[in-house]
Amino acid sequence: QVQLVESGGGVVQPGRSLTISCAASGISFPTSGMHWVRQSPGKGPEWVAVIWHDKTKKYYADSVKGRFTISRDNSENTLYLQMNSLRVEDTAVYFCAKDGPHWGRDLAYWGQGILVAVSS
Amino acid sequence: QTVVTQEPSFSVSPGGTVTLTCGLDSGSVSTNNYPSWYRQTPGQAPRTLIYSTNTRSSGVPDRFSGSIVGNRAALIITGAQADDESDYYCLLYMGPGILLFGGGTRLTVL
Repeated sequence: QVQLVESGGGVVQPGRSLTISCAASGISFPTSGMHWVRQSPGKGPEWVAVIWHDKTKKYYADSVKGRFTISRDNSENTLYLQMNSLRVEDTAVYFCAKDGPHWGRDLAYWGQGILVAVSS
Repeated sequence: QTVVTQEPSFSVSPGGTVTLTCGLDSGSVSTNNYPSWYRQTPGQAPRTLIYSTNTRSSGVPDRFSGSIVGNRAALIITGAQADDESDYYCLLYMGPGILLFGGGTRLTVL
């Protein structure tokens, strides 16, 4: 049974940093690409970032490029998203998702999400 | 900035068939965009329905199918059921590291 469990969310002030995590089980994490997707309140999802299974490629949405860093620890089956210079508009539920069968082109399984609220 | 378009809302009668579509504000959707479809009910995570235009995800009933219709991707739901009421989102691959969601369609079954 696939489980993706996000953690580390909370309330943070604008301009500060936060790192969220996603613990994976029930999948072959070391051979899986992984994504972060976010969803602002009342809006549709927004793709944020992807990391290849072997860390050789990382891509980011323009809205977070230069501020967010995706990383992974394949020995711990854990995905991370380090978020710097946070803005109010980064407020969202953040989902981790396992890559689909087409190498960075779709999403297979989703976590339940974690709320990150950026507010003064 | 490319925009992925979906009908904001749609209604279908129980047992009926509905086609939800996904397009681009400029240009056509093709299989090269690997259109995928996801459904989401309030407070829940999205669930994957369809990959790469028309491949059902594991456990998705065959009432759900996908195709390209004209210049748009389509999600077809046949034999609509009450619990099909959800928000449906498409996702398009636009190139390496460029994935765009549509704004979603809220489906009502009544």
